[in-house]
Amino acid sequence: QKEVEQNSGPLSVPEGAIASLNCTYSDRGSQSFFWYRQYSGKSPELIMFIYSNGDKEDGRFTAQLNKASQYVSLLIRDSQPSDSATYLCAVNRAAGNKLTFGGGTRVLVKP
Amino acid sequence: GAGVSQTPSNKVTEKGKYVELRCDPISGHTALYWYRQSLGQGPEFLIYFQGTGAADDSGLPNDRFFAVRPEGSVSTLKIQRTERGDSAVYLCASSKSLGETQYFGPGTRLLVL
Repeated sequence: QKEVEQNSGPLSVPEGAIASLNCTYSDRGSQSFFWYRQYSGKSPELIMFIYSNGDKEDGRFTAQLNKASQYVSLLIRDSQPSDSATYLCAVNRAAGNKLTFGGGTRVLVKP
Repeated sequence: GAGVSQTPSNKVTEKGKYVELRCDPISGHTALYWYRQSLGQGPEFLIYFQGTGAADDSGLPNDRFFAVRPEGSVSTLKIQRTERGDSAVYLCASSKSLGETQYFGPGTRLLVL
């Protein structure tokens, strides 16, 4: 079992719809959770981080964390073609600082 | 302000050669991280530094890989006797201090022929 798992996609959504991305992790010691966006040929760019159970909203993005279920998700509201990218989920143990990444979910927003 | 910078942006070398990849972190960031990303996969941790010392090098795949950060700022990742399997994008990230958000540089694309 991989430490951080994501559906590779592609997740195809129409413009204006909600894109829902999921991520599960195996290490119960994980404390910090991050979503990065990566355009083709570019480096990862931080979108959001979340530390506590529940929802965290930032503009069109909402991160949701459920530590009991070892599950973190990202919702993208009013999806735009410019949101087409690979979204990487990453987790971090409090005692260590290396990020463990999932394989990424490719999102395609169709006009 | 300036972000993380990495040089070279691309490096083509022959199997068996030695390469050095450089990372210049965001000014004032004390923590520096190296990751490697193969095509279609997420980044994979290699090593991180807090100041000049390597705090965790557990991700280095073997003893052909070595990294230094002699003055606590710029870091160099060194790969000896390169192999075709070393071909990947090498990403550097920095953070204000350990445990804080990591910001990535543009990466160095390494191709070993």
